[in-house]
Amino acid sequence: DAMVIQNPRYQVTQFGKPVTLSCSQTLNHNVMYWYQQKSSQAPKLLFHYYDKDFNNEADTPDNFQSRRPNTSFCFLDIRSPGLGDAAMYLCATSSGSTYEQYFGPGTRLTVT
Amino acid sequence: AQSVSQHNHHVILSEAASLELGCNYSYGGTVNLFWYVQYPGQHLQLLLKYFSGDPLVKGIKGFEAEFIKSKFSFNLRKPSVQWSDTAEYFCAVNARTGGFKTIFGAGTRLFVKA
Repeated sequence: DAMVIQNPRYQVTQFGKPVTLSCSQTLNHNVMYWYQQKSSQAPKLLFHYYDKDFNNEADTPDNFQSRRPNTSFCFLDIRSPGLGDAAMYLCATSSGSTYEQYFGPGTRLTVT
Repeated sequence: AQSVSQHNHHVILSEAASLELGCNYSYGGTVNLFWYVQYPGQHLQLLLKYFSGDPLVKGIKGFEAEFIKSKFSFNLRKPSVQWSDTAEYFCAVNARTGGFKTIFGAGTRLFVKA
């Protein structure tokens, strides 16, 4: 089945230690998104790629960066995680012609 | 700034009761509207969507939603809920002039008692 895969599902990192979360898709979608979701809150868009065009949300901290080396893969890099960055990180995709999104299962990040 | 409000954070219903979850958004232009659902232990998935045409949209599993432009609302309904509808429901809005950015509501947790 075509899908969005996120690895790892659970990630524990230390305060200030860089961490990378990965997302891959078999849907061949043009658009890939990263969301941060904290408990009982709405998923918050961090950034998205349309093909190789990177779109950063204005309020996304500089601590968060992303890479998309090819259509299938997208990475979220957190350069110096703080305790406030503990959250669920969701990856999603959509085609370039529709706006409905397909989500991965998420990576739950814990910062100790 | 655009925002999406979901009126109820938690809803508890008995099986066969009717469901209506409220969603309002703040954006004056043309929008695409969505309801996503997250069942326990599963990922977010699309329940239904509205792009244009008939403002009453039917989705999977007997759900429907009505777009009322004058009220900036897109409420989700189901005439008779089942235990398997226990999930978290998210309303989401994409402003067509805003590219691919989609704003999500904070979600409503529905618990259906058997």
